[in-house]
Amino acid sequence: AQSVSQHNHHVILSEAASLELGCNYSYGGTVNLFWYVQYPGQHLQLLLKYFSGDPLVKGIKGFEAEFIKSKFSFNLRKPSVQWSDTAEYFCAVNRAGNNRKLIWGLGTSLAVNP
Amino acid sequence: ETGVTQSPTHLIKTRGQQVTLRCSSQSGHNTVSWYQQALGQGPQFIFQYYREEENGRGNFPPRFSGLQFPNYSSELNVNALELDDSALYLCASSYRTGTGTYEQYFGPGTRLTVT
Repeated sequence: AQSVSQHNHHVILSEAASLELGCNYSYGGTVNLFWYVQYPGQHLQLLLKYFSGDPLVKGIKGFEAEFIKSKFSFNLRKPSVQWSDTAEYFCAVNRAGNNRKLIWGLGTSLAVNP
Repeated sequence: ETGVTQSPTHLIKTRGQQVTLRCSSQSGHNTVSWYQQALGQGPQFIFQYYREEENGRGNFPPRFSGLQFPNYSSELNVNALELDDSALYLCASSYRTGTGTYEQYFGPGTRLTVT
């Protein structure tokens, strides 16, 4: 069965620190990969996505993620976090060409101290 | 804002009761997916509707049912509520792009509390 693993459940950083959140998935076929963010009191928003092509994808608000197929990973990065990045971050996967269920990780709670 | 709306925002029900949650999809989106997000967890797929027909279902019992209407809005019905049904219920609408890819856009969710 497909699954998604997010390595860090809670991360605390100071402003301007660099961020990397790990995401690994288990599925042998071609996948679509997503990172969503949920700011306090707001709905889930798409940060970035990978369907095909360049494995380094850039999203909104300075976030980027790299798809490494050999490692089944899709880690999220940001060179310098801000207090406003405090949120819950979710990695999600579904089968390429399939609009059905997204399989989600448990999420990573990021707190950025000013 | 994604254009996906859900109602109500919050709901408190008693065990054994039935509940209906509603979702209006973003304009032009013909597919609606429902997810359950328990506290501290990632969302879990309940089912998806495409053009008024169920188009995939997750590991949820039959007391979770749904509908999609001709305008692509959708309902999630849960019968015989249990305490474990307490969660945030998310609706996501999506469409097929010209490149054959899909993105799901989420509503704000309905927070259901079962007592």
